[in-house]
Amino acid sequence: GAVVSQHPSWVICKSGTSVKIECRSLDFQATTMFWYRQFPKQSLMLMATSNEGSKATYEQGVEKDKFLINHASLTLSTLTVTSAHPEDSSFYICSARVGSYGYTFGSGTRLTVV
Amino acid sequence: QQQVKQSPQSLIVQKGGIPIINCAYENTAFDYFPWYQQFPGKGPALLIAIRPDVSEKKEGRFTISFNKSAKQFSLHIMDSQPGDSATYFCAASMGNTDKLIFGTGTRLQVFP
Repeated sequence: GAVVSQHPSWVICKSGTSVKIECRSLDFQATTMFWYRQFPKQSLMLMATSNEGSKATYEQGVEKDKFLINHASLTLSTLTVTSAHPEDSSFYICSARVGSYGYTFGSGTRLTVV
Repeated sequence: QQQVKQSPQSLIVQKGGIPIINCAYENTAFDYFPWYQQFPGKGPALLIAIRPDVSEKKEGRFTISFNKSAKQFSLHIMDSQPGDSATYFCAASMGNTDKLIFGTGTRLQVFP
């Protein structure tokens, strides 16, 4: 089946630094990637949608200058959290569209900003 | 209109029981209704999904019941096992817009 590999699975960084999270589609081409954020015991909140070769579309309230998304190829999308602060600590998950209706999810990245 | 309402928030059953999780939506343009299972620290994994042209779909111990007129759908887990203890999310999407809208989640605990 379609697999999305997400790395790293967890990361700790100092406040003010930037962190990059990668998602790779292993056995298919991901035209559309989605990035979610999930706080403890809460649902997934869509942050942005990216299409290969074009600028990402951000959901209302999501700072595009803080959460930089790059989808430069059909197999790789990255999310960079810039100038991270403790309130950016969360679980970040990527997802790719598969076929007409399917979605496959990465295993998630636990970001802790200290 | 973009919301998917999910209940209950949490559910505790004994092994062998049949937990039922319910979801409701407003937007009649939704045409894909998946259920996901998520374990702590992991991404969601697709359990089963249904399109609005059928009223029920069964895969193994998991069954979706879909009521188009009531705009509701539910997940039934037959012969539940302790290994089914996880958080379950319903979701909905419109094929032409790509967005997947998630319910609020149900934390299921199955005791031996």
